Amino acid sequence: GESVGLHLPTLSVQEGDNSIINCAYSNSASDYFIWYKQESGKGPQFIIDIRSNMDKRQGQRVTVLLNKTVKHLSLQIAATQPGDSAVYFCAEKGAGGGNKLTFGTGTQLKVEL
Amino acid sequence: EPEVTQTPSHQVTQMGQEVILRCVPISNHLYFYWYRQILGQKVEFLVSFYNNEISEKSEIFDDQFSVERPDGSNFTLKIRSTKLEDSAMYFCASSDSRSGTQYFGPGTRLLVL
Repeated sequence: GESVGLHLPTLSVQEGDNSIINCAYSNSASDYFIWYKQESGKGPQFIIDIRSNMDKRQGQRVTVLLNKTVKHLSLQIAATQPGDSAVYFCAEKGAGGGNKLTFGTGTQLKVEL
Repeated sequence: EPEVTQTPSHQVTQMGQEVILRCVPISNHLYFYWYRQILGQKVEFLVSFYNNEISEKSEIFDDQFSVERPDGSNFTLKIRSTKLEDSAMYFCASSDSRSGTQYFGPGTRLLVL
C-alpha cells in the first residue's frame, strides 16, 4: 500500500544555519509531492510542491529535492529563522488516484538562538 | 489574502451527540476536503467533495459522517453520534482545481467526553 514517512521526528538547528528535512515514500507511482508547515494549534500551511517530472524546485529560502530512484524527498530551508520552528509534513498525491493527500508523520524543527 | 475559515475553534460534546463542524472555503475554489489529526498523529484524509457530491472518501468516513454544502459559501461535516475516538483536530481544505494546491483552515478541535 502507499505510505509516506519521515526519517527523523525532531531536528534542532542553530539560527542562521541551513535545515534539511527528509521524507521517504514507498509508492513509485506517486507523482506529486507537497511540503506543509504546521505551527502549534494551526492548520497545515503550504510551503512548496514538486511534480515527479522534476528533480528540484526552489522557492523563497526553500528548496525541495526529489530523488525518484530511491523514493526520497527533502526540504531545505536556508538561513533558518526562529519563525521556521514548526512541524513539517511531506504529503503525496496521485499514487492511488483521486486528489486526496497522504501525509507523513512529521518532523519537529526546533531553531535554537 | 484569501483563507479558509472554520468554526467553532473548539467543540466539546458528550459521546453519542451530533456535532456539525463548519467551514468557509476560499471563495473561488470548487474542491473541498475534510481531514482530521488525532493528537500527536499525522493528518488523515476523510473526504473530498466536488460539484455537490462526494468524490472520494476514506475508510474513516463511515455512515456516521456526512458532508454538505448548504449554500454557496459553507461546507459542513456532520458526525451523527460521536464516539470517544472521534476526538481530534478537524481540518477543512479547498482547492481551485482537482490538481490545485489544497489550502487548509485553522481547524476545529473536537473533544468527545
